[in-house]
Amino acid sequence: DGGITQSPKYLFRKEGQNVTLSCEQNLNHDAMYWYRQDPGQGLRLIYYSQIVNDFQKGDIAEGYSVSREKKESFPLTVTSAQKNPTAFYLCASRWGSDNQPQHFGDGTRLSIL
Amino acid sequence: AQKITQTQPGMFVQEKEAVTLDCTYDTSDQSYGLFWYKQPSSGEMIFLIYQGSYDEQNATEGRYSLNFQKARKSANLVISASQLGDSAMYFCAMREGHGGTYKYIFGTGTRLKVLA
Repeated sequence: DGGITQSPKYLFRKEGQNVTLSCEQNLNHDAMYWYRQDPGQGLRLIYYSQIVNDFQKGDIAEGYSVSREKKESFPLTVTSAQKNPTAFYLCASRWGSDNQPQHFGDGTRLSIL
Repeated sequence: AQKITQTQPGMFVQEKEAVTLDCTYDTSDQSYGLFWYKQPSSGEMIFLIYQGSYDEQNATEGRYSLNFQKARKSANLVISASQLGDSAMYFCAMREGHGGTYKYIFGTGTRLKVLA
């Protein structure tokens, strides 16, 4: 059953702590994306990657880092430099031609302890 | 800068009636794509419909249709015969970029409530 898996579903962070959100896809998609969603807001792009070992900053990359060592995996680290990390984080992937939509995971809800 | 505007924070519609959700966009690109997604309260994003900037016909997918007016830069979603399960947040998004390197801009969304 193909899809995008995000884990954990809920995550709590202590002050000064880095946390990593997992995103794995078995759709064989080349492009992957991380978004942040705040209550009542749309999605804002954090980082995106078109191919393995390459990624670009989105609109709100400060305080976040990513890696893309495997096609299937695009983990997001929320660093201690991100002062307001409480949000809903969505990972997406996309395949092929320009009319293809993004496929999304079920999201990770991150909160500060 | 590229931008997506959804001016309706919330909408109500009676079950079985049609509803239009507004979306306007701003871009200087000739080639772009417009998407609509549905987000239920559980949080997942569900793709509904796509319209390419060069598509001459309005896109349709079942009960969903996209009223694309290129000169006015609008891409409104029309849901016909509303159902209780249509109650959700709806987001309009625009693809920008070229040569296979794309990113997407999302609007702030419209919360639709279908009344029985």
